Amino acid sequence: GENVEQHPSTLSVQEGDSAVIKCTYSDSASNYFPWYKQELGKRPQLIIDIRSNVGEKKDQRIAVTLNKTAKHFSLHITETQPEDSAVYFCAASYGKLTFGQGTILTVHP
Amino acid sequence: DAGVTQSPTHLIKTRGQQVTLRCSPKSGHDTVSWYQQALGQGPQFIFQYYEEEERQRGNFPDRFSGHQFPNYSSELNVNALLLGDSALYLCASSSSPGPATYEQYFGPGTRLTVT
Repeated sequence: GENVEQHPSTLSVQEGDSAVIKCTYSDSASNYFPWYKQELGKRPQLIIDIRSNVGEKKDQRIAVTLNKTAKHFSLHITETQPEDSAVYFCAASYGKLTFGQGTILTVHP
Repeated sequence: DAGVTQSPTHLIKTRGQQVTLRCSPKSGHDTVSWYQQALGQGPQFIFQYYEEEERQRGNFPDRFSGHQFPNYSSELNVNALLLGDSALYLCASSSSPGPATYEQYFGPGTRLTVT
């Protein structure tokens, strides 16, 4: 089955810096790669996603890149703000979501 | 536009008991997937329902079963509860099943504690 590895497990940045989270997947059949933000005690919230026929997608301060050949994808957050602090999960999907282990992002004011 | 709803919010059960969790999908969605999220981990796929049938299943024992109703709402049943079943149970809805499943929106979850 699919296996998703996510790094780093924790990431600490200063407000205004950029943050990058990387994921690799194993199943070449996966065709959809979403990113979720989960605040403590709350539901995972879809923040951006990319399909396998696209290499890059941007939404304001958030961007995702996908390298199908290398089977890896990354989340980029620019101009980080304290409210970006949360756990971020990547996932790979061919119908069912397989999640990475999560990255705890802390943005210091 | 109503989002995904789940009930109950919290539940405490004893080992060996049975539990039923409920989910109503987002308006316009017909596919429901269930996930288990243990503390400090990412959600794990349990199964997906579409047209009242189980379409995909993850690596969970038969103690975990489900149902989908004609109005697209769904139930997750867990029999013979174990301490290890303590987790946040998340329901996600989408507009199509299987490989065509793209955006999945999660409900607030049900926190199950087994003592």
